Order: sequence, then C-alpha cells, then structure tokens
Amino acid sequence: SYVLTQPPSVSVGPGQTARISCGGNNIGSKSVHWYQQKPGQAPVMVVYDDHYRPSGIPERISGSNSGNTATLTISRVEAGDEAEYYCQVWDSGSDHYVFGTGTKVSVL
Amino acid sequence: EVVVVESGGGLVQPGGSLRLSCAASGLTFNEYLMHWVRQVPGKGLVWVSRIFGDGTGAIYEDSVKGRFTISRDNTRNTVFLQMNALRAEDTALYYCVASREYYYMDVWGKGTTVTVSS
Repeated sequence: SYVLTQPPSVSVGPGQTARISCGGNNIGSKSVHWYQQKPGQAPVMVVYDDHYRPSGIPERISGSNSGNTATLTISRVEAGDEAEYYCQVWDSGSDHYVFGTGTKVSVL
Repeated sequence: EVVVVESGGGLVQPGGSLRLSCAASGLTFNEYLMHWVRQVPGKGLVWVSRIFGDGTGAIYEDSVKGRFTISRDNTRNTVFLQMNALRAEDTALYYCVASREYYYMDVWGKGTTVTVSS
C-alpha cells in the first residue's frame, strides 16, 4: 500500500515560514491535499489538488508537489497556525485514500 | 453551508456491533461521495470507507473489510456505517466526511466516539 511520510514536528517563530514535507514514491504524479487539525477540532481542508486553496483559506498557505515530495508552506506564521497538518492522496492502485503521518506545527 | 453530524457512537463489548449515522444538510446529497475516517486519540487520521452518491462504489480499508458496511439513504440525506465483530483496535473517534470530488475530503463532521471494551 502507498505510504506518505511526514516529519513529526516543525517549530517556527512568529512571522517566519513553516515548510511541511510529505514524502511518497513519485508523489508528484498524484494530487495531494492538505488538512489542518487544531486540538479538539475536526480537520479542515486547507489545500487541494497540490496548490488550490478552498474559500476562506488565507493566501499565506500554499502547496507544491514534485518528484517524491509535496510541501505545504505557511508564510508569516501566526499563533493561530499551531495545529497538526496531514497530507492525503488517493491511491489509484487500491482505490484507497491515504493520509500522511501528520506534522505538529508549533509556534515558538 | 454544508453540515454533517454524526451519531450512534458508544461503548460496546468486543465482538459486538454498532451502527453509526451521519446526517447531512445544506447540499444536494446524491451529488456527494461520503467517507468515514477514524482517529485514535493522539494518533493520526485513518480512512475507513467510502460510498458514491448513488450508493454504489463502497470500498473499505483492509482492517475493516468484511466487518464494516457503509450504506446511504438519499431520501434522508444520511449515510451509515454498520460495524460488526468489533475489536479493541476499532476504538476511535469516527468522522463522517462529505466530498464533492473523488480525490479529497471537503466537509468534516465533529465525530462520534466508539469505544470497544469489556
């Protein structure tokens, strides 16, 4: 089955840029989606199809995908960005949906 | 605004059964795929099952295949997850998710908790 690997944690100072990686075999050939989950809350989609933002998601949040790594970038990080972030793809071989291992973003 | 609300969680003994429900509003229900995703407290998200808008296309994560059944009633804007032969490792918060598109998950409910324990 397809595996997505994320770093367990990323720490960044306010106003700085956080980059969260999502590694998978030839992930650049797939569409990657990202979800933000704050403590005690349900996940919210923040990026779909590699780099599109749903309505209401700030432009500070962006995505890219190439080769074996997809990246979620949060610019000008704020305290409210503290959350767990998950990447997700659809695996055509199994018709299953796969989530990454999750990355906790901490704002120093 | 699209809203999904789960219900039906609770405490059940190993080997027992439980049926989760998810009521959706603010959408043309039969145009949405519906998923169940679960999360053990403190752990990551795990996709469980999906069903197409017309009730076809049911598919399951390997550990629940043969034990869980997803279905929907488009007249009641509701999707169900029938869970049989429950195990301790099925203990989790179960989210219902509505999706306009095949590949990602748009709108999440707040979840319902399932605890499998004697």
